[in-house]
Amino acid sequence: QKEVEQDPGPLSVPEGAIVSLNCTYSNSAFQYFMWYRQYSRKGPELLMYTYSSGNKEDGRFTAQVDKSSKYISLFIRDSQPSDSATYLCAMSEQGAQKLVFGQGTRLTINP
Amino acid sequence: ETGVTQSPTHLIKTRGQQVTLRCSSQSGHNTVSWYQQALGQGPQFIFQYYREEENGRGNFPPRFSGLQFPNYSSELNVNALELDDSALYLCASSFSGTGGNTIYFGEGSWLTVV
Repeated sequence: QKEVEQDPGPLSVPEGAIVSLNCTYSNSAFQYFMWYRQYSRKGPELLMYTYSSGNKEDGRFTAQVDKSSKYISLFIRDSQPSDSATYLCAMSEQGAQKLVFGQGTRLTINP
Repeated sequence: ETGVTQSPTHLIKTRGQQVTLRCSSQSGHNTVSWYQQALGQGPQFIFQYYREEENGRGNFPPRFSGLQFPNYSSELNVNALELDDSALYLCASSFSGTGGNTIYFGEGSWLTVV
């Protein structure tokens, strides 16, 4: 079993829709939770960073962490074609710099 | 822009050869990590360097080695290349000691082994 599970998709939604992306994990020591966006043939770009449980909002993006369920989510409101990319969840333990990634979900927003 | 630069961007090598990939960290960052990302997969941690010493290693064989220089730039060396080494190699930099994990990636080096 992988430490971090993420549905690879692909996920295709119309422009303006609310997108929900999710990851589950098995390591209860994870304390830091991140979402990265990766455009085709580019490096991952840090979108959201959350410590422990709770919600964090940044513009159209909201990240949620539920440590009791070992479940994290990223919501994208008013989705745009430019949001089309692969979204990677990543996690790490306290004091560790190593990130453990999910497989990534490929998202397409259709105009 | 993350301030993390990698070179070369693309390269093709023959099985059995050796390759060196280079990374320049973001200014002020003292920690560099390397990741391997196979097609359709998430990045996998190779190793991390802090103060020029290896400071953690993932499940990769010893033919994957690295260096960190006093200016915090870094190299990834892979010996005896295998076809399965074909992947995007990502360098990530961060500042150890902030208590967080704000880690920034470069654009990567695409390695094809034939």
